[in-house]
Amino acid sequence: AQRVTQPEKLLSVFKGAPVELKCNYSYSGSPELFWYVQYSRQRLQLLLRHISRESIKGFTADLNKGETSFHLKKPFAQEEDSAMYYCALFGNEKLTFGTGTRLTIIP
Amino acid sequence: DVKVTQSSRYLVKRTGEKVFLECVQDMDHENMFWYRQDPGLGLRLIYFSYDVKMKEKGDIPEGYSVSREKKERFSLILESASTNQTSMYLCASSTGKQPQHFGDGTRLSIL
Repeated sequence: AQRVTQPEKLLSVFKGAPVELKCNYSYSGSPELFWYVQYSRQRLQLLLRHISRESIKGFTADLNKGETSFHLKKPFAQEEDSAMYYCALFGNEKLTFGTGTRLTIIP
Repeated sequence: DVKVTQSSRYLVKRTGEKVFLECVQDMDHENMFWYRQDPGLGLRLIYFSYDVKMKEKGDIPEGYSVSREKKERFSLILESASTNQTSMYLCASSTGKQPQHFGDGTRLSIL
C-alpha cells in the first residue's frame, strides 16, 4: 500500500527565514510526487511536481529515493506563503495525500 | 483554464436523508474523483471514475455511492446520511496522468 507522511501538522516560520516542509513516502514502484497548496478561502491547487523540476513561487522540492523523501523548501519565507500544504503521491492509478502541514509566516 | 464546479458551497442535511453532491468539469477530462477533507486526516479518496458509467472504490467508500452518466458530471450520493459524514467534500478531474484540478469544495453538515 502507498503512504505519504507529513510529520508536522503546524509549522510557524518568521518572514525571511528558510522554510522546509517535510514529506516522506512509502511506495514499491517508481513514484510521482506532488505538492498541493490551499490558501485561505481558495481551492486546492497544484504547487509543483517532481518530474518538472521547476521552482514555483520560490519553492523547490527534490525527490530523494534513498530517503524516500520529497521535502518542500524555500530560502526566504514570505507572508503570502501562509497556507495549508499537502504532499501527494500518484501510484496504482490513484493520488494519495498526506495529512497536510499548516504553514504560518510570522511578520 | 480548467473549471471544476461543485453545485453547493454549503449544505445542511438531516440524519437519514439521501444527499446528492454534484460536480461538473468543462475540460472533457476522462478522470473524476471525490475526496473528503478532514482536519488532521488530509484528503481521503472516496470514489473515482475513469470513464462514463465506470466507477472504482477509493480508500473510504463505505456509506457512499457515485454516478457518472455523462463525461462532464460526477455525482456523490450519501444513501442515508450520518453525522460522521459531516465534512468538506472535494471533487477533482484530470486527463491521462496529468495533475488533478479541484473544485471549491462543499462543506456538508449532517444534523
